[in-house]
Amino acid sequence: GAGVSQSPSNKVTEKGKDVELRCDPISGHTALYWYRQSLGQGLEFLIYFQGNSAPDKSGLPSDRFSAERTGGSVSTLTIQRTQQEDSAVYLCASSTPEAGGIEDTQYFGPGTRLTVL
Amino acid sequence: GENVEQHPSTLSVQEGDSAVIKCTYSDSASNYFPWYKQELGKRPQLIIDIRSNVGEKKDQRIAVTLNKTAKHFSLHITETQPEDSAVYFCAASMGYSGAGSYQLTFGKGTKLSVIP
Repeated sequence: GAGVSQSPSNKVTEKGKDVELRCDPISGHTALYWYRQSLGQGLEFLIYFQGNSAPDKSGLPSDRFSAERTGGSVSTLTIQRTQQEDSAVYLCASSTPEAGGIEDTQYFGPGTRLTVL
Repeated sequence: GENVEQHPSTLSVQEGDSAVIKCTYSDSASNYFPWYKQELGKRPQLIIDIRSNVGEKKDQRIAVTLNKTAKHFSLHITETQPEDSAVYFCAASMGYSGAGSYQLTFGKGTKLSVIP
């Protein structure tokens, strides 16, 4: 079936502008994660959505970052007043968590490469 | 919170040799340990994972070992091939037995180069 998709694949913006990044998880996956990967670095957790529960926002680096998940499916990550240090690849992942952790494998999208000039 | 250390940061091996990448974690509550392979410009792809109720898992040329007492786990690739060249990331999470969410904490990656 279709995997996780993200759009746009690349985004170039000017410092101070707002950007929106979109993630379409695998159909039926109830959990959705956003990560950030800076050049040559590992992946840094940003935010987690699970069903109708309140999201875990503990990884968001500042209040300029926010995310929504509408209808338990598509998610949008918004960065306001972008800064040059926001330049990175933003990756989305989804999974189908079940009790016992049997199906908690996270599947990643291709990412959005954000460049802030 | 969880902290994952990964070594080495770069690794070069001759084709056909074995490669070993090691990771340590800090939170004893972690119980799920996946390994991802990321080729240049591509998304991370899961290659193998292990849960805390087993000490070793194999899948063809790839194996992962876990030592919960020492809080470390390792990736072993045997009979390496040029197509194994990529960046490999280890990660840890509390799966679904821990409190809160289940995000992965990643190591910083190992760039593996397999020399033909």
